[in-house]
Amino acid sequence: IQMTQSPSSLSASIGDSVTITCRASQTVSTWLAWYQQRPGKAPKLLIYRTSNLDSGVPSRFIGSGSGTEFTLTIGSLQPDDFATYYCQQFETLPWTFGQGTKVEVK
Amino acid sequence: EVQLVESGGGLVQPGGSLRLSCATSGIAFSTYWMTWVRQAPGKGLEWVASIKEDGSDKYYVDSVNGRFAIARDNAKNSFYLQMNSLRVDDAAVYYCATRRYYFDHWGQGTLVTVS
Repeated sequence: IQMTQSPSSLSASIGDSVTITCRASQTVSTWLAWYQQRPGKAPKLLIYRTSNLDSGVPSRFIGSGSGTEFTLTIGSLQPDDFATYYCQQFETLPWTFGQGTKVEVK
Repeated sequence: EVQLVESGGGLVQPGGSLRLSCATSGIAFSTYWMTWVRQAPGKGLEWVASIKEDGSDKYYVDSVNGRFAIARDNAKNSFYLQMNSLRVDDAAVYYCATRRYYFDHWGQGTLVTVS
């Protein structure tokens, strides 16, 4: 299953709300996760099963969708949120990731 | 605190072999599926392989199937990735991670260079 994220990058300011879209080449139901990766660091799980926040993840991260279209919304961007975000499907092996969306400072 | 520490990366010639290790602490290791994910320089994430709690089930991405082998030692709270017949396109940072479907704890990664 191919996962396609849009946009590939975006520029935003502290306090902005941003939305990243992830589209699957076939349905993945709600078997979708989101990760954040800061430069030089390992990925960090943010959301699993489309909308469930991992432990300790701030509530400004909101995941939604089903089937083939999903979104990650970050409400009120904070300095720590400037990073690259990946979606990942776990409906069908091999598990696959989107190509990433880089959120940069405007 | 959960900790995963990879080791074993390095420079290897095409066709060569490496064995990566991931030592864990802070988790009930024998109750977790474990996974390897890699990231080529400047590229995105790629799931590589996963192994069941007792080692009885293993899954691989097609590009490594038959060349890589995932294994674990529950007595040592560790798991491994034996990589044979390495190719230039296997070069990446290899991360170990917990769980089967989505990955909630990650190591810091170990760099494999094939050249």
